[in-house]
Amino acid sequence: EAGVAQSPRYKIIEKRQSVAFWCNPISGHATLYWYQQILGQGPKLLIQFQNNGVVDDSQLPKDRFSAERLKGVDSTLKIQPAKLEDSAVYLCASSPRTGSHEQYFGPGTRLTVT
Amino acid sequence: LAKTTQPISMDSYEGQEVNITCSHNNIATNDYITWYQQFPSQGPRFIIQGYKTKVTNEVASLFIPADRKSSTLSLPRVSLSDTAVYYCLVGDQGAGNMLTFGGGTRLMVKP
Repeated sequence: EAGVAQSPRYKIIEKRQSVAFWCNPISGHATLYWYQQILGQGPKLLIQFQNNGVVDDSQLPKDRFSAERLKGVDSTLKIQPAKLEDSAVYLCASSPRTGSHEQYFGPGTRLTVT
Repeated sequence: LAKTTQPISMDSYEGQEVNITCSHNNIATNDYITWYQQFPSQGPRFIIQGYKTKVTNEVASLFIPADRKSSTLSLPRVSLSDTAVYYCLVGDQGAGNMLTFGGGTRLMVKP
């Protein structure tokens, strides 16, 4: 069974630029999550999708972050404009059902904002 | 979600059994206890989950006392490859309930 795929693995941008991350969850998993993990900290949930609908985006900085999950499969997370404090690893995870604490994580995208 | 407290770091040696204890004094009736493992440059990996008593799988054991205010993750005979950060999470798995990670425990296994 293929795992959660993410791309790119690494990205370096200057502040005020925009960036997008892509995630392909495990086949058949209805729930998809985006997390932000700052160095030395645990992951922080940004947004949770159930199929193509948003379940929770209370911790997503909506003035600069946006996410979509068209057709209920792949998802993209965008930052525009980026700030220095956005430097982090962005993790995508999926699970068969919403609310499950058994989630499957991708390798993450390491973003550096200079 | 119930707040969890776990040691920031632990050291061990190859071949030893490692026990990482997590405190969750405010655990609610519907809360489950879940542990994740994270290696550098990788996403977290689900290890084990339990509600009460003892759960065992091919990777670890999870011990939960009757009052459920703490839990202990037990890793038998660790190897260097078990060096990682281990996260304890507690929460209701109902729809819409978020998974909240704390700082985790950094386990260093030495030769």
